[in-house]
Amino acid sequence: GDSVTQMEGPVTLSEEAFLTINCTYTATGYPSLFWYVQYPGEGLQLLLKATKADDKGSNKGFEATYRKETTSFHLEKGSVQVSDSAVYFCALEPSFSGGYNKLIFGAGTRLAVHP
Amino acid sequence: GAVVSQHPSRVICKSGTSVKIECRSLDFQATTMFWYRQFPKKSLMLMATSNEGSKATYEQGVEKDKFLINHASLTLSTLTVTSAHPEDSSFYICSASPFLAVSTDTQYFGPGTRLTVL
Repeated sequence: GDSVTQMEGPVTLSEEAFLTINCTYTATGYPSLFWYVQYPGEGLQLLLKATKADDKGSNKGFEATYRKETTSFHLEKGSVQVSDSAVYFCALEPSFSGGYNKLIFGAGTRLAVHP
Repeated sequence: GAVVSQHPSRVICKSGTSVKIECRSLDFQATTMFWYRQFPKKSLMLMATSNEGSKATYEQGVEKDKFLINHASLTLSTLTVTSAHPEDSSFYICSASPFLAVSTDTQYFGPGTRLTVL
């Protein structure tokens, strides 16, 4: 079945460092891809998305490109801040989700940014 | 933005008892709500999808008699873990989609409930 694999964390970076969190997927057809972020004590929030191959999603300085040839959707940010410390989830919506907008998630990657 | 709350945020119970977790959409009506669980260092796993006023649709491998889901109103869904056992200890997250939502990015998540069964 469809699945998402993320790099295992935690990822610890200094402020202003470059961030990459790897995400690969297995799916039939053409899924939509998402990155969600969860700050401490809060619910998951949509960070960015891409709905077709070669699309680039971007938000708050983060970006990810839908690469069908490598089945990847890696999250990147050029200069992280302490406020970016959170857990990041990669997710996909299968091509055929039965009309209920089902999401399949990775395990999440915890990012800790220190001053 | 849209807010989804969960109650309680943490619960500890004895083996054999039942535990109810509430999921509420605070500022919108949710026709569809989803329940997920997450084991440590594992993926967030969809357990079931519920639509207001109808029976929940459970994912393969999820015991419907153990995890009772009720979506009695457009702002409230409950998950009851019946006869809980230590292996049910997990992090449970709900999400809600607003009425007439047409895309997945309008799915809003609660902060989760940590269940520990002793």
